[in-house]
Amino acid sequence: QSVLTQPPSVSGAPGQRITISCTGSSSNIGAEYDVFWYQQLPGTAPKLLIYANTNRPSGVPDRFSGSKSGTSASLAITGLQAEDDGHYYCQSSDSSLNGDVVFGGGTKVTVL
Amino acid sequence: EVQLVESGGGLVQPGGSLRLSCTASGFTFSAYGMSWVRQAPGKGLEWLAYISGGATTITYADSVKGRDTISRDNAKNSLYLQMNSLRAEDTAIYYCVRDVGYDRNANYNSYFDSWGQGTLVTVSS
Repeated sequence: QSVLTQPPSVSGAPGQRITISCTGSSSNIGAEYDVFWYQQLPGTAPKLLIYANTNRPSGVPDRFSGSKSGTSASLAITGLQAEDDGHYYCQSSDSSLNGDVVFGGGTKVTVL
Repeated sequence: EVQLVESGGGLVQPGGSLRLSCTASGFTFSAYGMSWVRQAPGKGLEWLAYISGGATTITYADSVKGRDTISRDNAKNSLYLQMNSLRAEDTAIYYCVRDVGYDRNANYNSYFDSWGQGTLVTVSS
C-alpha cells in the first residue's frame, strides 16, 4: 500500500466543489515536507497541478487549490468540469525512507 | 518548451535487461536533476531513481536498488535507466521527469514539473 492515503474515488456533478484528501504521517507531511498534486487525464502522462502545498503552475486554472494541515493535505476543485475527469495523485517525501519521494495511491474523479 | 521523449521500452523475458533513454530539449539539461517514475497497468505512480544535474548525487528506491542504474550524458541532453534482472512486476510505463528540488523547513523537497509521454516495458515469457 501507498505511504500517503487517498480515497479511491470521488465524484461530483458539473459546477460542484469536490475535495480529495491525502493523509500522511509524522515522517512525511507531518514532518513539514511539502505536498504536490498531479492530474492524469485518460491516456496521458501526469501533469503537475499544485506545488509546494498551495501554488499553481502557470496555466493551471484557479479552480484548483491546495491546502495542508498537520499530517494531511487536500486538493479542492471548484466549478467541476467534464474535462476534470481523471486521476489525481498527491506526492511528498518521507524521512523514514531517507527523504525519498512518495506518492498517494491516486483518486479517480468522476464528473457525473 | 520543455520536451522529454523516452525510448527503449518493449517486451523482455524475465531475468532480462533493458536500457531506457530519454532525450530532453527546451531547457538547460545539465542544470536540472532528473528522475524516473513508473506506473504499472491500472496502478499508481512509483518513483524509482534520481540523478543530480552533475551526476554527483544518485538515489534509488528500494524496489530497484541493486538492479537498476540511472545515468546521464549532459553533452547529449540524455538520461538513461539500465534495468537488469527484470521481473513480471516491473511491467509498467516508465516516465522520464524533470526533478525540481529545494530546501524548506530543514527538509529537501522534490517534485516533477515536466513529464515525458512514457515508454512501456513488458516483462513476460
